[in-house]
Amino acid sequence: DSGVTQTPKHLITATGQRVTLRCSPRSGDLSVYWYQQSLDQGLQFLIQYYNGEERAKGNILERFSAQQFPDLHSELNLSSLELGDSALYFCASSVLSLGVGTDTQYFGPGTRLTVL
Amino acid sequence: DQQVKQNSPSLSVQEGRISILNCDYTNSMFDYFLWYKKYPAEGPTFLISISSIKDKNEDGRFTVFLNKSAKHLSLHIVPSQPGDSAVYFCAATRVWGNQFYFGTGTSLTVIP
Repeated sequence: DSGVTQTPKHLITATGQRVTLRCSPRSGDLSVYWYQQSLDQGLQFLIQYYNGEERAKGNILERFSAQQFPDLHSELNLSSLELGDSALYFCASSVLSLGVGTDTQYFGPGTRLTVL
Repeated sequence: DQQVKQNSPSLSVQEGRISILNCDYTNSMFDYFLWYKKYPAEGPTFLISISSIKDKNEDGRFTVFLNKSAKHLSLHIVPSQPGDSAVYFCAATRVWGNQFYFGTGTSLTVIP
């Protein structure tokens, strides 16, 4: 158990809909990262927050947004869903922020999103 | 553009033998590399890392080798055990960079 929790575990929805994925980081970790893993793909970095502020952006679509709340949990919002958005979405957390040195990222179990 | 590549989707090894998982990268600015292991229905877990100032790092049965001139790293598991059966991801970053780049993973099966 990494200490990172993600809800829900599974989500099935229809095209055009909007969903919210939730992540709670390990106790003491200030950074939260979101990754997308599509079929036969590696983990694609989406976005990072550190102590409530956006710190780094990867290949995140404009239809996707995220935020980190004062209690440090984070939500990833996916809107106008398309079939190609079906994937595993992982959240990870670490103590440090990217750009200030290396730090181990601890991953949650993921949310499997299926768009029909 | 896949900056980190794992060209072998799967690997099978007999228990007790050596497992060698390979990873190639294209960005010469990467200076920190990691291996993660992932079991089904779980998130990836950190296994071992190496800085570009080293060419080898060992942790028990796991050794990572880095060949900077070839932009290649490998993970050696000796001896392999059935519990090592998992998907292994390599990742690369710059120490002062802004994201980790992951490969597509290699599924290792250790046969008892």
